[in-house]
Amino acid sequence: DAGVIQSPRHEVTEMGQEVTLRCKPISGHDYLFWYRQTMMRGLELLIYFNNNVPIDDSGMPEDRFSAKMPNASFSTLKIQPSEPRDSAVYFCASSLGQGGNSNQPQHFGDGTRLSIL
Amino acid sequence: DQQVKQNSPSLSVQEGRISILNCDYTNSMFDYFLWYKKYPAEGPTFLISISSIKDKNEDGRFTVFLNKSAKHLSLHIVPSQPGDSAVYFCAASAYDSGNTPLVFGKGTRLSVIA
Repeated sequence: DAGVIQSPRHEVTEMGQEVTLRCKPISGHDYLFWYRQTMMRGLELLIYFNNNVPIDDSGMPEDRFSAKMPNASFSTLKIQPSEPRDSAVYFCASSLGQGGNSNQPQHFGDGTRLSIL
Repeated sequence: DQQVKQNSPSLSVQEGRISILNCDYTNSMFDYFLWYKKYPAEGPTFLISISSIKDKNEDGRFTVFLNKSAKHLSLHIVPSQPGDSAVYFCAASAYDSGNTPLVFGKGTRLSVIA
């Protein structure tokens, strides 16, 4: 079975450019999460969707960040314009239910390592 | 404020010995706790969990202990193996009381030395 698929795996771009990260969740999962991992802050939740609808975007750091889920099999996280402090590993995860217990754990993709020069 | 804290960024243990990873939380509404394991260049994977109605859950070499009064949980790995070397994340949710999404700690890097 295919897991959560993220692309690209690595992205290096210059400050000010637009960055788009992509995620394909596991088929049938109704929740999708975007996380950012940094040394300072660990794994922080940016936004999550339920049935393609954004539920909580309070973790999105600034208006430069936006996320969409046009259908059940695809989501994007966009940064425009990008800044060096956005450099981090971005993970997408999906689950059946909120993933808050062992019966419905969140399944993570392998992440996108983003470097803004 | 961090609701889930893993105060040890790293831990080194010899192969065959016990590894103990600790986690503290501040939100008394949390009622479900999970541990995730992460290898380099991969996403975190679910390892083991515990509900607040229990104080211990065991799965093979992995055991999680919960002390609700102290708002503390720990993951024990016995015996530790080199393949256990990874970053371990503690996570919590208010599943039964509010069905909130997971809150993660910053992680502890475990190195098991052969």
